[in-house]
Amino acid sequence: DQQVKQNSPSLSVQEGRISILNCDYTNSMFDYFLWYKKYPAEGPTFLISISSIKDKNEDGRFTVFLNKSAKHLSLHIVPSQPGDSAVYFCAAPTQGGKLIFGQGTELSVKP
Amino acid sequence: DAGITQSPRHKVTETGTPVTLRCHQTENHRYMYWYRQDPGHGLRLIHYSYGVKDTDKGEVSDGYSVSRSKTEDFLLTLESATSSQTSVYFCAIAAQDSLANYGYTFGSGTRLTVV
Repeated sequence: DQQVKQNSPSLSVQEGRISILNCDYTNSMFDYFLWYKKYPAEGPTFLISISSIKDKNEDGRFTVFLNKSAKHLSLHIVPSQPGDSAVYFCAAPTQGGKLIFGQGTELSVKP
Repeated sequence: DAGITQSPRHKVTETGTPVTLRCHQTENHRYMYWYRQDPGHGLRLIHYSYGVKDTDKGEVSDGYSVSRSKTEDFLLTLESATSSQTSVYFCAIAAQDSLANYGYTFGSGTRLTVV
C-alpha cells in the first residue's frame, strides 16, 4: 500500500510561471513532511519541510501547503526557473523515523 | 560536500554473481539507509541501520543483505544478482534529532546493471 503518492509523473511549465507539485498521503499520523529535489546522476537533496501542526511553510521561492483534512500537500515554486527542472519527491516518516517517498514528479521548466 | 560517498558509481554484473555496494560516511551519524530508485516507484527502502551491528529490513529487502561493522561503513550485498535488481541504489545518512528539519543526506548513487 502506497502511503505517500504523487500521481503526476511529469509537469511542464514556462519560465516565470508557477509550478505546483502535488502529493497525497493516507496515514493521518504523519508528524511532518519533506520535499526533496533530484537532478540526474545526483542524489536527492532536501528542499523544504512542514510540520503537521502548520498549514504553510515558505522558503524563498518555495512554499509548501498542507491540507490535513484532505491528506494533501503541495509544493509551489514561484517564479519557476530553468534550474528548477528536476525530479521532486515528497516524503513522510514512518515508525522509527524511516522516510517513505512518493513516486516523484519530473518538473521541466521551459525558457 | 556532505561527507557521504558511494562506491562504485557504476557497475555491470552478470546474473547470479554476488555484488557488494559500499557506503562510507564521515559525519558520524548513527542512522544509515539503503534505497533503490526505479521508474514509477520512487525511492524504496531496502535495509537500514540504527547503529553498529544493528540493522533491519525495509519494504524491498528480499535478495539483499547488509552489514555494518563500523559506524562509517554500511555495505549492501546482492547475494545472487538478478535482472530485477537493475536499479540505481542510494545510501542515506541521518542524525535522527534533525530529521524533521533536514531529513536525510543522500549519496550520489550507484547505477547497477545486471545482464
